[in-house]
Amino acid sequence: NAGVMQNPRHLVRRRGQEARLRCSPMKGHSHVYWYRQLPEEGLKFMVYLQKENIIDESGMPKERFSAEFPKEGPSILRIQQVVRGDSAAYFCASSPPTGNHSPLHFGNGTRLTVT
Amino acid sequence: AQSVSQHNHHVILSEAASLELGCNYSYGGTVNLFWYVQYPGQHLQLLLKYFSGDPLVKGIKGFEAEFIKSKFSFNLRKPSVQWSDTAEYFCAVTPGDTGFQKLVFGTGTRLLVSP
Repeated sequence: NAGVMQNPRHLVRRRGQEARLRCSPMKGHSHVYWYRQLPEEGLKFMVYLQKENIIDESGMPKERFSAEFPKEGPSILRIQQVVRGDSAAYFCASSPPTGNHSPLHFGNGTRLTVT
Repeated sequence: AQSVSQHNHHVILSEAASLELGCNYSYGGTVNLFWYVQYPGQHLQLLLKYFSGDPLVKGIKGFEAEFIKSKFSFNLRKPSVQWSDTAEYFCAVTPGDTGFQKLVFGTGTRLLVSP
């Protein structure tokens, strides 16, 4: 039973480029969450999605960031026109659709470096 | 806003030493509390959780944590650490009425156990 799969593990982008981070949840999980860990900080909630729906995006920066979880395929976190301050580790987590008391299962993260 | 404080950023212990990692949170209502561990190169894994009942919680790999409501604390303990416990440990909290998804994390404690 594969865990939460994130790719790529490492991503390098120059300022102004776009970054696309992918997350495939665990089998049977339909809820996906994205968290960001800036250097020397704890993980911070960004967005919570279910298939084709954004449930809570209160942690998403207002500009340049978007997330989707289509009916088919992985969840995508998209960062347009990246800046150096976007350099961070981005973690995806998933949980099953059995109410809101299921602990999250995390992926290995994608480390984004903006040069 | 809720916050989580982990007092020690780096801890170095010898094998067989006892471990206690501090965690304090700021939130006035009922809470769900978690400890996650991230071994080098791996994803975040749930060590243990508390959401109700006995405030002394047993987790995997011999870890336990005690919820002390009056002190807003949820310290992690292990009586005798092993080299394989070298990892980063994160304390996290969610409000009791919102489920386990929107975690607020501390900044983490890096534990190094020397053989």
